[in-house]
Amino acid sequence: DGGITQSPKYLFRKEGQNVTLSCEQNLNHDAMYWYRQDPGQGLRLIYYSQIVNDFQKGDIAEGYSVSREKKESFPLTVTSAQKNPTAFYLCASTRRGGQGTEAFFGQGTRLTVV
Amino acid sequence: QKEVEQNSGPLSVPEGAIASLNCTYSDRGSQSFFWYRQYSGKSPELIMSIYSNGDKEDGRFTAQLNKASQYVSLLIRDSQPSDSATYLCAVNPPGGYNKLIFGAGTRLAVHP
Repeated sequence: DGGITQSPKYLFRKEGQNVTLSCEQNLNHDAMYWYRQDPGQGLRLIYYSQIVNDFQKGDIAEGYSVSREKKESFPLTVTSAQKNPTAFYLCASTRRGGQGTEAFFGQGTRLTVV
Repeated sequence: QKEVEQNSGPLSVPEGAIASLNCTYSDRGSQSFFWYRQYSGKSPELIMSIYSNGDKEDGRFTAQLNKASQYVSLLIRDSQPSDSATYLCAVNPPGGYNKLIFGAGTRLAVHP
């Protein structure tokens, strides 16, 4: 079955540590996205990528980094520069083709600072 | 003004009633609109998409769009307890890429 797989489901980070969240899709979608969700809030865009080897900052990119070396994969690194990383992280993908393309989400990774 | 606004709720309706969820957006040039359902602790699931003015029906769900008023709504007929979730409105603003702007969501509670 086609879909988006995020791992791990739960992740704990110590102060000053970098951690990487995995996102893999087998939908053959060109575009991939990372969103952050805080309790009681909507989703905020961190980074997005429309094509391999290219990505753009979203609204809250500070303290995060990404790479897009393969079409299927779009990992997100939460760096020590992100001062408040505890949140629910969601990866999504869409077919390329301009506006109106529906986004599909992975199961999410819940990151907690300990 | 927030780009996409929703009443946070909770909206409480009895089982079998019609639930009406509302969303307003600020960018008049927006062309694509989506409703997602999110259960607690889970990822959003696409319910409806709508692109032109008027109504779009899919089973118990009807999406309504009024671009002149910058307003999009979701009606859920014959509400069931399993419909209890947070409903997120998402808007695709103009700009040439598939960035989605999400509202904070409306929490719906359907009681037996």
